[in-house]
Amino acid sequence: DIQLTQSPSFLSASVGDRVTITCRASQGISSYLAWYQQKPGKAPKLLIYAASTLQSGVPSRFSGSGSGTEFTLTISSLQPEDFATYYCQQLNSYSFGGGTKVEIK
Amino acid sequence: QVQLVQSGSELKKPGASVKVSCKASGYTFTSYAMNWVRQAPGQGLEWMGWINTNTGNPTYAQGFTGRFVFSLDTSVSTAYLQISSLKAEDTAVYYCARAETTWTTVTTLGVKESDYWGQGTLVTVSS
Repeated sequence: DIQLTQSPSFLSASVGDRVTITCRASQGISSYLAWYQQKPGKAPKLLIYAASTLQSGVPSRFSGSGSGTEFTLTISSLQPEDFATYYCQQLNSYSFGGGTKVEIK
Repeated sequence: QVQLVQSGSELKKPGASVKVSCKASGYTFTSYAMNWVRQAPGQGLEWMGWINTNTGNPTYAQGFTGRFVFSLDTSVSTAYLQISSLKAEDTAVYYCARAETTWTTVTTLGVKESDYWGQGTLVTVSS
């Protein structure tokens, strides 16, 4: 099975900061990767699919890149509503990464 | 608008069974597959599997075979997750999530990313 490793697992940042989260796959998955945002007590929300395609309605400060085994989610200017936990998911065997919690510095 | 509305929280004793429902609206139910995802308290997301809403064929992830059953009632656009012989470690929030299907090989149908999610159902297993 394909394993996804996210880093960091915890991130402390300020409003306006540029934030980058990495997701590494144990084997190549082409561009079959999605990113989700989850706020406490809420269901996950799809942000990015096919590694770099922004889901409709998601702000353009979110972007995704990568292919093969290394992927990144970038938030260009962190906003108060972006403090949440972020997960990657590979669409070969569907496992999720362990999550990255983004908290206010 | 697309909505997935799940049934309410459940408190069950070890050894009992539970059935969680996920009612879809705002789209053609059989045009999208349904994923099921588990989230234990304070933990990450775990993909449980998916069900083909056209054929009713389920696919279970490793660790979710035997006690876990996905089913459908297409007449009411509803997907179900049944868990039998409940254990304390089944305590979690269970989510349904819609996804398009895609041919991953010439003969294998899979699913894409989950674009709409239910609100989650908390199942608590405690004596």
